[in-house]
Amino acid sequence: DAGVIQSPRHEVTEMGQEVTLRCKPISGHNSLFWYRQTMMRGLELLIYFNNNVPIDDSGMPEDRFSAKMPNASFSTLKIQPSEPRDSAVYFCASILTSGGGTGELFFGEGSRLTVL
Amino acid sequence: DAKTTQPNSMESNEEEPVHLPCNHSTISGTDYIHWYRQLPSQGPEYVIHGLTSNVNNRMASLAIAEDRKSSTLILHRATLRDAAVYYCILRDVLIFGNEKLTFGTGTRLTIIP
Repeated sequence: DAGVIQSPRHEVTEMGQEVTLRCKPISGHNSLFWYRQTMMRGLELLIYFNNNVPIDDSGMPEDRFSAKMPNASFSTLKIQPSEPRDSAVYFCASILTSGGGTGELFFGEGSRLTVL
Repeated sequence: DAKTTQPNSMESNEEEPVHLPCNHSTISGTDYIHWYRQLPSQGPEYVIHGLTSNVNNRMASLAIAEDRKSSTLILHRATLRDAAVYYCILRDVLIFGNEKLTFGTGTRLTIIP
């Protein structure tokens, strides 16, 4: 299996522009997570989906952020408009939900976003 | 989620065992203990998890205190490739759909050649 695939790996954009990050989870996994990592705040969970339905979006910072999962093999995280404080590495992760909380999360390599 | 406490950083010599401690004094009976690590410029990766008994796998061993208020991740023979940030995380299995992981600050492990 190719693992969790994220694109783009690097994105540099200017303040005010729309940014779309993409994620393809591991085939067969039914839960997907978006995390953000910065030096100041560490790894933060933004949102997670189970069977394509958002379960917990309490970590989404504000209305400028939105996430969708139109099908089991694709998710997007959109920032509109982007701001310099959104600069971070964004990770996508997926898991086959076991119902017992013992499953292993698989992370992608991340998308490094720089907003100028 | 119950909280974990880890040292900010540790150093170890190459080819020696490493013991990474984690305190979780408020752990509940249904919390599993998970360990992940994050190598430089990569996403976190699973290391090991356990509930009550000690666990071994190809990467590491997990020693869990009898009262479950602390645990130790053991790397039996550290290599330079083990230099990473190690995260100790509790996950409550009774909460339906609770597959999410809440990461703390972890322990940054430096391996000295």
